[in-house]
Amino acid sequence: QVQLVQSGAEVKEPGASVKVSCKASGYTFTSYYIHWVRQVPGQGLEWMGIINPSGGTTRYAQKFQGTVTMTRDTSTSTVYMELSSLRSEDTAVYYCARYYYNNGGYPSGWFDPWGQGTLVTVSS
Amino acid sequence: QSALTQPASVSGSPGQSITISCTATSSDVGTYNYVSWYQQHPGKAPKLMIYEVSNRPSGVSNRFSGSKSGNTASLTISGLQAEDEADYYCSSYTSSSTWVFGGGTKLTVL
Repeated sequence: QVQLVQSGAEVKEPGASVKVSCKASGYTFTSYYIHWVRQVPGQGLEWMGIINPSGGTTRYAQKFQGTVTMTRDTSTSTVYMELSSLRSEDTAVYYCARYYYNNGGYPSGWFDPWGQGTLVTVSS
Repeated sequence: QSALTQPASVSGSPGQSITISCTATSSDVGTYNYVSWYQQHPGKAPKLMIYEVSNRPSGVSNRFSGSKSGNTASLTISGLQAEDEADYYCSSYTSSSTWVFGGGTKLTVL
């Protein structure tokens, strides 16, 4: 079955970087975009960006421009999300999600499935 | 402030029907023709419930339905059950080639 499995929880100090992985299985890795979404404790979902596993092209939310980098490794069917210059406000659960769309084309898609989430805690 | 506005909370009794709205409040959402809905239980990852406004993935109960009128999309849950108690989020693509989520709605089954 289609599955996204993320790396484990992380604890980082302010100013550090964190790299979260998302390993895909059950489908052709390069055929579907992957999104990253975060959720600060007690708050809603926030879109961070998208990566095309085929060519590695990315697009980031303006809020994360300059601090987030999304990459992929086609040999292991894994995408990565690295967030730098961490602050306490970056404490959140980070999710990856596969993007799927039908005849409506690229804008019409949806997120399915989601990874299990990775808690990143930023604390001194 | 999200470009998609949802009520913070809704509630209903078992067996009743409820509707959660999702209103596009910014022209950045563009034509707003494609909306998806997600259910999230505490401590769990979101789960797709509706895609392309009104389509239901296999495995999702037919008690869940979606619709859209103008700039407002809606998720309706009929025959409320205790297991439906969760947070619900709508999502859409924007004219800036990004994606946005609504602020989320907490559904309480009384």
